Amino acid sequence: QVQLKESGPGLVQPSETLSLTCTVSGFSLTSYSVSWVRQPSGKGPEWMGRMWYDGDTAYNSALKSRLSISRDTSKNQVFLKMNSLQTDDTGTYYCTREGFAYWGQGTLVTVSS
Amino acid sequence: DIQMTQSPSFLSASVGDRVTINCKASQNINKYLDWYQQKLGEAPKLLIYNTNSLHTGIPSRFSGSGSGTDFTLTISSLQPEDVATYFCLQHNSGWTFGGGTKLELK
Repeated sequence: QVQLKESGPGLVQPSETLSLTCTVSGFSLTSYSVSWVRQPSGKGPEWMGRMWYDGDTAYNSALKSRLSISRDTSKNQVFLKMNSLQTDDTGTYYCTREGFAYWGQGTLVTVSS
Repeated sequence: DIQMTQSPSFLSASVGDRVTINCKASQNINKYLDWYQQKLGEAPKLLIYNTNSLHTGIPSRFSGSGSGTDFTLTISSLQPEDVATYFCLQHNSGWTFGGGTKLELK
């Protein structure tokens, strides 16, 4: 069955870089796109960016200067890197398959010194 | 960028009530509007896609309507398990979520 799972550090220092991995199973990254979505506690989700099935990327214009999404199809993984983290980047980060019907469990990222 | 304004932010209703939640887009998004339910500590769950198509396994008491800029999620008869926060998502141009409606039992 379709599964996605996020992994990465739970705590990041201000001004540092966040690196997250989304490991997928049950589908191919060359057939389906994967998006990253984040959600501050008590607030609505925010679409961050997408790795298209053909390897192209799309980014939220508000995050584009800090964000990079890549993939390793041989490992069924999609990667997120975001630099210059600040406290308002704290929240739960999700990866979700094209169509947003399948989501990972989410990983909580706290930006704090 | 398209902005999504969701209302109300908070809603209190009784079991059996008909509940409506609204989303307004800052520009025409055609039919490309989805609805999600999120319970505490869980990922969002797709309920309705492309305005009015019920996702697999979702009870028929959930329905969606609208077009252009104004959309509505309706729960025809509220059940206790429907207590959650509801979000809309436009995917006509990029992807933008609404701010959410927290639904509780009266």
